[in-house]
Amino acid sequence: DGGITQSPKYLFRKEGQNVTLSCEQNLNHDAMYWYRQDPGQGLRLIYYSQIVNDFQKGDIAEGYSVSREKKESFPLTVTSAQKNPTAFYLCASSYGGGYQPQHFGDGTRLSIL
Amino acid sequence: DAKTTQPTSMDCAEGRAANLPCNHSTISGNEYVYWYRQIHSQGPQYIIHGLKNNETNEMASLIITEDRKSSTLILPHATLRDTAVYYCIVSVAWAGNNRKLIWGLGTSLAVNP
Repeated sequence: DGGITQSPKYLFRKEGQNVTLSCEQNLNHDAMYWYRQDPGQGLRLIYYSQIVNDFQKGDIAEGYSVSREKKESFPLTVTSAQKNPTAFYLCASSYGGGYQPQHFGDGTRLSIL
Repeated sequence: DAKTTQPTSMDCAEGRAANLPCNHSTISGNEYVYWYRQIHSQGPQYIIHGLKNNETNEMASLIITEDRKSSTLILPHATLRDTAVYYCIVSVAWAGNNRKLIWGLGTSLAVNP
């Protein structure tokens, strides 16, 4: 079945440590997205990639980095510069960055030890 | 800034139609309305989207008013598994030809036996 796979489902980070969240899709979608969800807030866009080797900062990119070396993969690194990383992270993909609907993975919940 | 307004919560009896309203009075002529739902600790699930005309798929119907300032998502025969947070979203132009979804807090729908 086609879909978006995020791993791990739960992740714990120590202070000062970088962690990488995985996102893989087999939907043949060109565009991929990373969002952050906090309690009492709507989803906020972190990064967006329309094609391989191209990505753009979203509304809250500070403290995060991404890469897009393959069409299927869009990993997100939460760096030590992100001072409040505890959140639910969601990856999405779509056929394009226009009107096509986005489809989401089941998320990674990141917590600080 | 969310471009949509939804009630915070709603209840519906199992087997009855659930009608979820959404106001988007500042919508522009080329902006689509999207509906997603999210069950706790899972990723958002795409339901339906539309521009002007009413739309129907296997999950739901979307009724958009003629002036496009509001819409209603209809789940024709609600089941307990439809209990979720429902998001009404309008996309905005962003980064050239791309669109960005602006997420609010949604409506928490409880389907009761």
